[in-house]
Amino acid sequence: DAGVTQSPTHLIKTRGQHVTLRCSPISGHKSVSWYQQVLGQGPQFIFQYYEKEERGRGNFPDRFSARQFPNYSSELNVNALLLGDSALYLCASSDGREGETQYFGPGTRLLVL
Amino acid sequence: DAKTTQPPSMDCAEGRAANLPCNHSTISGNEYVYWYRQIHSQGPQYIIHGLKNNETNEMASLIITEDRKSSTLILPHATLRDTAVYYCIVRVLGNFNKFYFGSGTKLNVKP
Repeated sequence: DAGVTQSPTHLIKTRGQHVTLRCSPISGHKSVSWYQQVLGQGPQFIFQYYEKEERGRGNFPDRFSARQFPNYSSELNVNALLLGDSALYLCASSDGREGETQYFGPGTRLLVL
Repeated sequence: DAKTTQPPSMDCAEGRAANLPCNHSTISGNEYVYWYRQIHSQGPQYIIHGLKNNETNEMASLIITEDRKSSTLILPHATLRDTAVYYCIVRVLGNFNKFYFGSGTKLNVKP
């Protein structure tokens, strides 16, 4: 079975631009979470979606937004990119039931110049 | 969610058991202990989790103290491929499940 997939794997943008990152969860999983990992730190929670609705949001500015599609795939959008947005963006999927384990994708490495 | 404290780094000889400690002294009764590892900036890999009983799977064993204030992840026979950052996370079961990652322990397995 395919695990969590993310695209693109790497991305270079300049300050002020907009970026869209994509995630496909494990088949049968209905919940997707997004995390940001800055170099040298642990991942930080950004969003969680379940059945196309936002179920939780971390401490990130409104420049960050996300959505989940009927097939449970998800997009993370970041507007007005800053140098500090350079990070590894991770997607994790779970089946949405309480207590279930999250499984992470390989991540998208974003570099903002 | 309760916070965790882990040593920043540890060394282990190849073939020996690696014992990674984690303190979570403010853990609540409904909080689980999870362990993930991250190899060279790949996505975190799930290892094991538990509530209060010791757990074992094909990758590792998890030992939780009786008062649940600390736990130890045991890799029984460490290999070079086990070199990674190991994260101990406590997670409350709520209306959604998010993980609060700390800085983790960098395990260096040496030949």
